[in-house]
Amino acid sequence: EVQLVESGGGLVQPGGSLRLSCVASGFTLSSYEMTWVRQAPGKGLKWVSYINISGSTIYYADSVKGRFTISRDNAKNSLYLQMNSLRAEDTAVYYCGRVGHSSSWYEDHWGQGTLVTVSS
Amino acid sequence: QSALTQPASVSGSPGQSITISCTGTSSDVGDYNYVSWYQQHPGKAPKLMIYDVSNRPSGVSNRFSGSKSGNTASLTISGLQAEDEADYYCSSYSSTSRRVFGGGTKLTVL
Repeated sequence: EVQLVESGGGLVQPGGSLRLSCVASGFTLSSYEMTWVRQAPGKGLKWVSYINISGSTIYYADSVKGRFTISRDNAKNSLYLQMNSLRAEDTAVYYCGRVGHSSSWYEDHWGQGTLVTVSS
Repeated sequence: QSALTQPASVSGSPGQSITISCTGTSSDVGDYNYVSWYQQHPGKAPKLMIYDVSNRPSGVSNRFSGSKSGNTASLTISGLQAEDEADYYCSSYSSTSRRVFGGGTKLTVL
């Protein structure tokens, strides 16, 4: 069974940093592209970032570019999101997603999400 | 404001069919067959219902179907059931933003 489990969320002050992790099981992470998508409380889904299999191609939403860094460690079956210079508007549940097939733009599996709250 | 426009809410009675629209531009929905649809129940993670405009993943009921015409994609749910009540989101590849989502549509089964 495919499983994605996020962790690392929590309460952080504006300007602070957090590192989210997403551990994959039930499939080989090194065979799939991955994404991060977030959802502010009571709001819709917003795409955050994408990384290809090798980590050589990375994209970010304009709202996080220069502040967030996506990375992966295929040997550890793990995906990461380093979040710096956090703002109140970054408050959201962050989901990691497995891209359905190479060069596609949809997620066929999602984690349960981890809540990030940016507040003083 | 979301990049893709969806109605805030739709409703239907059990057994009926409903359609949720998703309007974009020639930079996303209109020019790429990378439209996907997700179902989200309260407090749960999204679930893929349709990918690449009209493909249904294994395990998703054939009551769900997707289509596209010009800059507008649509999700149709036939034979509405109580368990279909949820939020639905469309998404598309975008040549300007890489990836965009709609604002979501709340489906109420009357």
